[in-house]
Amino acid sequence: KQEVTQIPAALSVPEGENLVLNCSFTDSAIYNLQWFRQDPGKGLTSLLLIQSSQREQTSGRLNASLDKSSGRSTLYIAASQPGDSATYLCAVDSNYGQNFVFGPGTRLSVLP
Amino acid sequence: GAGVSQTPSNKVTEKGKYVELRCDPISGHTALYWYRQSLGQGPEFLIYFQGTGAADDSGLPNDRFFAVRPEGSVSTLKIQRTERGDSAVYLCASSLTFFRDRGREDEQFFGPGTRLTVL
Repeated sequence: KQEVTQIPAALSVPEGENLVLNCSFTDSAIYNLQWFRQDPGKGLTSLLLIQSSQREQTSGRLNASLDKSSGRSTLYIAASQPGDSATYLCAVDSNYGQNFVFGPGTRLSVLP
Repeated sequence: GAGVSQTPSNKVTEKGKYVELRCDPISGHTALYWYRQSLGQGPEFLIYFQGTGAADDSGLPNDRFFAVRPEGSVSTLKIQRTERGDSAVYLCASSLTFFRDRGREDEQFFGPGTRLTVL
């Protein structure tokens, strides 16, 4: 059964710092991995989707990497801003059913 | 529409009552998903539709939960005999396709959710 974990659970950084959020999954047989952000009381906003054949995806200040064999993905945020404060979730679409399995999220606070 | 919409945004009901939650996906999206999210946790998969049919309902917790998508667009999640443990935010998402290897066509877009509170 696919399990997804995210470390750290919470992170607080000063504005302008570069930071890395981690996502780990137990079953490497995946189709893709997607990163989302969730603002308090809101739905999820898609950030990046990485197919299993890809190593990374970039969008603006965000870069997500995927190492399928080791069951890891990282989300790199450059030059963080207070507006980046949110919960960041990764979700894995596994080969063997279960569809998207989400991690518990990392709660990010960027202090001005 | 411009995005996925869900109604109502909030629903308060009493234990034992029946509730229906509605999801309007992005126009043209063939795949539709329902998730449930409890406080401090990531969403938990419930069911997904490809067109009108439920392609995978393995996440539905028990037979009190049922979902339909009769015309391949709007979907309704139905919960019978609600229990306090059903209280959560119910999220709906849609994607253009669900071929699982088509990259951005499989990208899921979420609605704002319905917060269900069972007293």
